[in-house]
Amino acid sequence: GEDVEQSLFLSVREGDSSVINCTYTDSSSTYLYWYKQEPGAGLQLLTYIFSNMDMKQDQRLTVLLNKKDKHLSLRIADTQTGDSAIYFCAEGRSGSARQLTFGSGTQLTVLP
Amino acid sequence: NAGVTQTPKFRVLKTGQSMTLLCAQDMNHEYMYWYRQDPGMGLRLIHYSVGEGTTAKGEVPDGYNVSRLKKQNFLLGLESAAPSQTSVYFCASTQGPRFPNEKLFFGSGTQLSVL
Repeated sequence: GEDVEQSLFLSVREGDSSVINCTYTDSSSTYLYWYKQEPGAGLQLLTYIFSNMDMKQDQRLTVLLNKKDKHLSLRIADTQTGDSAIYFCAEGRSGSARQLTFGSGTQLTVLP
Repeated sequence: NAGVTQTPKFRVLKTGQSMTLLCAQDMNHEYMYWYRQDPGMGLRLIHYSVGEGTTAKGEVPDGYNVSRLKKQNFLLGLESAAPSQTSVYFCASTQGPRFPNEKLFFGSGTQLSVL
């Protein structure tokens, strides 16, 4: 079955880069997503990558995909205190009404 | 533009009580979803709907029922609440599964505690 795994916690210093990792098992995944959840709020889409891409950059965010190893990572450059949140990796298949399978989320804490 | 609105935001129930969570979206979205979020387990899909009058089971549907009588509303019911249903519940909607532009829009969540 489908499974998406992430480490639960990550702490970094303000100004450093953060790298959040994710592995997935469904080889038929079409798209892979990163969502951000701030305290007391719902999830918001940060970025996504097609499964036929290796990398995508969006301002401070860089997504790397290793399809062979089914490994996805999110790099946040110049991490700020406002980046402290839970980050969810998710995978989905085009045309699937059941939408996404989410990982357990990584709590990112940015230390001053 | 309110987006996705969930009510109530917090609720405490006793075991065996019933309640309904309401999700309303004003974006004319076809697809709506109910998820539950538990510590260390991410979001799990309870039920979903691909249009008015339709519902389907997700990953963890037992103990829940849903209805989509109007396109803009998706109701989640607990007929006899159990402590295992203590969780944060999120509603989400999207126009359709036309990835990646039709992203999920989430409500702010309902914190439910069952004693």
